[in-house]
Amino acid sequence: EPEVTQTPSHQVTQMGQEVILRCVPISNHLYFYWYRQILGQKVEFLVSFYNNEISEKSEIFDDQFSVERPDGSNFTLKIRSTKLEDSAMYFCASIQNTDGYTFGSGTRLTVV
Amino acid sequence: QKEVEQNSGPLSVPEGAIASLNCTYSDRGSQSFFWYRQYSGKSPELIMSIYSNGDKEDGRFTAQLNKASQYVSLLIRDSQPSDSATYLCAVNEPGANNLFFGTGTRLTVIP
Repeated sequence: EPEVTQTPSHQVTQMGQEVILRCVPISNHLYFYWYRQILGQKVEFLVSFYNNEISEKSEIFDDQFSVERPDGSNFTLKIRSTKLEDSAMYFCASIQNTDGYTFGSGTRLTVV
Repeated sequence: QKEVEQNSGPLSVPEGAIASLNCTYSDRGSQSFFWYRQYSGKSPELIMSIYSNGDKEDGRFTAQLNKASQYVSLLIRDSQPSDSATYLCAVNEPGANNLFFGTGTRLTVIP
């Protein structure tokens, strides 16, 4: 069964540092997403990406966040200057059409 | 603000019983509805999708959709201890593929 792969599984960073979370979506999928889940809270949409550009983004996805598909296989989320409140599980997801997402296993980001 | 509401539970059912999970949503324009299962510390796993009013069955799972009432439900028949997890209802944003999630209902199946 094809998988969405995320690395690292756990990232600890100091407040103010930049982090890059990496994802390899399923190869024939066309739409890519980042979601986050703060501990004990709901899964929240951050951004969607299609045809090498952002198609939708939420209010959470401010200027501190950026996404990139640098090489046709990787899909990255960058947080420029991390804050304590950025601590969360970050999930990458991809879909081929309008059917349900395949989520990656997630990256637990801890900002100290 | 688009809302997806679920009873947070916990919902406890004995093994072999039917578990009934409910979800309401606020945006009448939503067309796609999903149920995900999430084990503690893991990522959401798709169980069912439903797009039309009525019932959709897949094995022990039945999803029910009533767009007039803006209501989605998930029935789990013959519940097993391995079904113990948090069940997330997700609804699409109209005109887009991104999803809004409820807070989830924690289900415990008691052996």
